[in-house]
Amino acid sequence: EVQLVESGGGLVQPGGSLRLSCTTSGFTFSSYEMNWVRQAPGKGLEWLAYISNAATTIYYADSVKGRFTISRDNANNALYLEMNSLSAEDTAVYYCARESGGPTDYWGQGTLVTVSS
Amino acid sequence: DIQMTQSPSSLSASVGDRVTITCRASQDISNYLGWLQQKPGKAPKSLIYAASSLHSGVPSRFSGNRSGTDFTFTIDSLQPEDFATYYCQQYSTSSWTFGQGTKVEIK
Repeated sequence: EVQLVESGGGLVQPGGSLRLSCTTSGFTFSSYEMNWVRQAPGKGLEWLAYISNAATTIYYADSVKGRFTISRDNANNALYLEMNSLSAEDTAVYYCARESGGPTDYWGQGTLVTVSS
Repeated sequence: DIQMTQSPSSLSASVGDRVTITCRASQDISNYLGWLQQKPGKAPKSLIYAASSLHSGVPSRFSGNRSGTDFTFTIDSLQPEDFATYYCQQYSTSSWTFGQGTKVEIK
């Protein structure tokens, strides 16, 4: 069974940093491209970042470019999102999502990040 | 960025009804369009990819269609478990974009 489990969310002060993890199981992680998507409270979905299966290609949304860093550890089947210079606008549930040759097929359950003083 | 315009933003329907949601892309995305279902407090679930192909295990009452840059998502015979918010998602570029969502509520 394919599983994606996010962790690392929590309460952080404005200007602070946080590192999210997405641990995976049930599939060959190193064969799949991965993405991070977020959803602010009561809002829609916003794509944040993409990483190819070998981490040779990375893309970011303009809203997080220069502040967020996506990475992966294929040996440990894990995806990461390092988030810096956080502001209230970054408050959201953060999801990791598996990409299967283009379309998304599996999503994690999400982890909540709250940026507040 | 490619803009996805989804309508309606909400609708009320009864069990057994046929429901249709539309999404229009701001430019040609071929058939690189998916539909997602999200229930309150839950993660999105991918239902359809390539405009009209169902992911494994998705009931056949869900369907999708494409006409140029216009896409439709249909639920035939709405079931109680189908009350949720639905999003379209384009993946023709590496930066995905989503429609605004359609909340399907019980009439």
